[in-house]
Amino acid sequence: KNEVEQSPQNLTAQEGEFITINCSYSVGISALHWLQQHPGGGIVSLFMLSSGKKKHGRLIATINIQEKHSSLHITASHPRDSAVYICAVSPWGSGTYKYIFGTGTRLKVLA
Amino acid sequence: DGGITQSPKYLFRKEGQNVTLSCEQNLNHDAMYWYRQDPGQGLRLIYYSQIVNDFQKGDIAEGYSVSREKKESFPLTVTSAQKNPTAFYLCASSAGSSGRGYEQYFGPGTRLTVT
Repeated sequence: KNEVEQSPQNLTAQEGEFITINCSYSVGISALHWLQQHPGGGIVSLFMLSSGKKKHGRLIATINIQEKHSSLHITASHPRDSAVYICAVSPWGSGTYKYIFGTGTRLKVLA
Repeated sequence: DGGITQSPKYLFRKEGQNVTLSCEQNLNHDAMYWYRQDPGQGLRLIYYSQIVNDFQKGDIAEGYSVSREKKESFPLTVTSAQKNPTAFYLCASSAGSSGRGYEQYFGPGTRLTVT
């Protein structure tokens, strides 16, 4: 079993829909990261969370440390949101700053 | 503008040749990382460096080598010993301290094709 699990693996939505991507992890963490990878390959960091909730534009990320679970929500989805969304964690006490990555959620938003 | 540059964007090589991928950052970050991504797969760590003149193997280091002679540079050599070198290679860096130091910044990547 992977230490970081994401669901769903693939998601197709109509423009305007509310989207939720889930991430569960099994290790103690210092922080959780949501990343976005566009078709060209570049990766952008969307959020870094250690507790609670963060919002940036139409994107909202939440984390429940006790349940070891995080969600990424996209409100009023748009075709330009089509990308791969990756959950990654910074494990606690590893002595390094390495990430453990989920396998990603491929999102396609149709016009 | 601060950031990470990788060059070239596309690289083609013949089987049996070593090839070096460039990664430079001007963010004054201590830690740097190399990842490999295969189609439809997640990111896998090849090597990482937390400080100049020191680096450690990641999960898939066989067939690769790195150096870290300068803080801003972390080149990756894909040697002829790497059995399946065709992949997308991403470099990243992080400040390397607590708090926002955990956050990694990624370069645009190099797509390597070996035939």
